Amino acid sequence: NAGVTQTPKFQVLKTGQSMTLQCAQDMNHEYMSWYRQDPGMGLRLIHYSVGAGITDQGEVPNGYNVSRSTTEDFPLRLLSAAPSQTSVYFCASKSTQARITEAFFGQGTRLTVV
Amino acid sequence: GDSVTQMEGPVTLSEEAFLTINCTYTATGYPSLFWYVQYPGEGLQLLLKATKADDKGSNKGFEATYRKETTSFHLEKGSVQVSDSAVYFCALPFNSGGYQKVTFGTGTKLQVIP
Repeated sequence: NAGVTQTPKFQVLKTGQSMTLQCAQDMNHEYMSWYRQDPGMGLRLIHYSVGAGITDQGEVPNGYNVSRSTTEDFPLRLLSAAPSQTSVYFCASKSTQARITEAFFGQGTRLTVV
Repeated sequence: GDSVTQMEGPVTLSEEAFLTINCTYTATGYPSLFWYVQYPGEGLQLLLKATKADDKGSNKGFEATYRKETTSFHLEKGSVQVSDSAVYFCALPFNSGGYQKVTFGTGTKLQVIP
């Protein structure tokens, strides 16, 4: 029972490089989201998706792109990495079938931009 | 908009001490409320929840009571253990644009020393 799987767990990038953080879930959840976690700021929503082909911006979308071509996958792309994007990134998914449902999180990707 | 405010950390306690982590919320209507826990190096996982006023959520010796009159959902545990060392997040699901989202508090780091 894999749940939400994120890869890689750690990554170091140089300023200006691009990369994709992968997220996959096997629970058939409609809703998927990306957060970044920074000290003293809790979790901030970057982008989210309510189903295949549907994405929208969260609180801090600048510098990130997403797409949702399948229910299972929701990759996050950093177009041109900046030191300000050094953070821990979490992918989460949840069902929208019930009125209130919990979110399931991946183990996180620790990204350092130098 | 809907939000949660939780006490600043870090909180350092000796083993077997009593724990309280405060959380208050601002919301329209009567939302559900969650506590998530993040153990070192891991993603967030649901600890407990309450779906209506006066409900008490409980799990692993932790409890939280949804108090509408004080708009609070404080997390308590009577006797903490070293294994409870983690970051705790209060969370509030809310509806926006026809979809359910979640807003998180900034997190409170708990360190329990033997």
